[in-house]
Amino acid sequence: QKEVEQDPGPLSVPEGAIVSLNCTYSNSAFQYFMWYRQYSRKGPELLMYTYSSGNKEDGRFTAQVDKSSKYISLFIRDSQPSDSATYLCAIPGGGKLIFGQGTELSVKP
Amino acid sequence: EAQVTQNPRYLITVTGKKLTVTCSQNMNHEYMSWYRQDPGLGLRQIYYSMNVEVTDKGDVPEGYKVSRKEKRNFPLILESPSPNQTSLYFCASSFTQDLNTEAFFGQGTRLTVV
Repeated sequence: QKEVEQDPGPLSVPEGAIVSLNCTYSNSAFQYFMWYRQYSRKGPELLMYTYSSGNKEDGRFTAQVDKSSKYISLFIRDSQPSDSATYLCAIPGGGKLIFGQGTELSVKP
Repeated sequence: EAQVTQNPRYLITVTGKKLTVTCSQNMNHEYMSWYRQDPGLGLRQIYYSMNVEVTDKGDVPEGYKVSRKEKRNFPLILESPSPNQTSLYFCASSFTQDLNTEAFFGQGTRLTVV
């Protein structure tokens, strides 16, 4: 079983839709949970991070962690074409960042 | 501007011809690492370095070497490249080894080994 699993998509939605991106993880000791965004032909950039359980909101983006089910989510409200990118969940563990496979999102005008 | 710089951005080489991909960061970060990104497999760590002269293997180190002689530089060396090393490579740096802070990534190096 992979330490972090993410549905690779691709996911295509119309502009204005609510997007839900999800990951599961296996190690209950993980405490920090991150979302990186990667535009085509670019390196990943940190979008949001949360500590332990709960929600964190930043504009149209909300990161949610449910430690009881080892499930992390990223919600995008009022999605825009500029949100089209690959979204990667990442968890620090064992001296490295453990990444999910990434979900490719396309927001159509 | 704070950044991680990788060179070259694109490289096509032949099997067995030694190559080096350079990585430099200007943020005085202690921690640096190399990842490869492959379709369906995501980002996998190759090697990492917690400080000067301290390096260790990641998840997929076979066929790669690294060195950390200066804090800012962390080159990736392929002594004898093979076609299965065709991939997209990223260098990353972080302020500390805890990795609870942001990791900064380079623009990537797309390597093709024929």
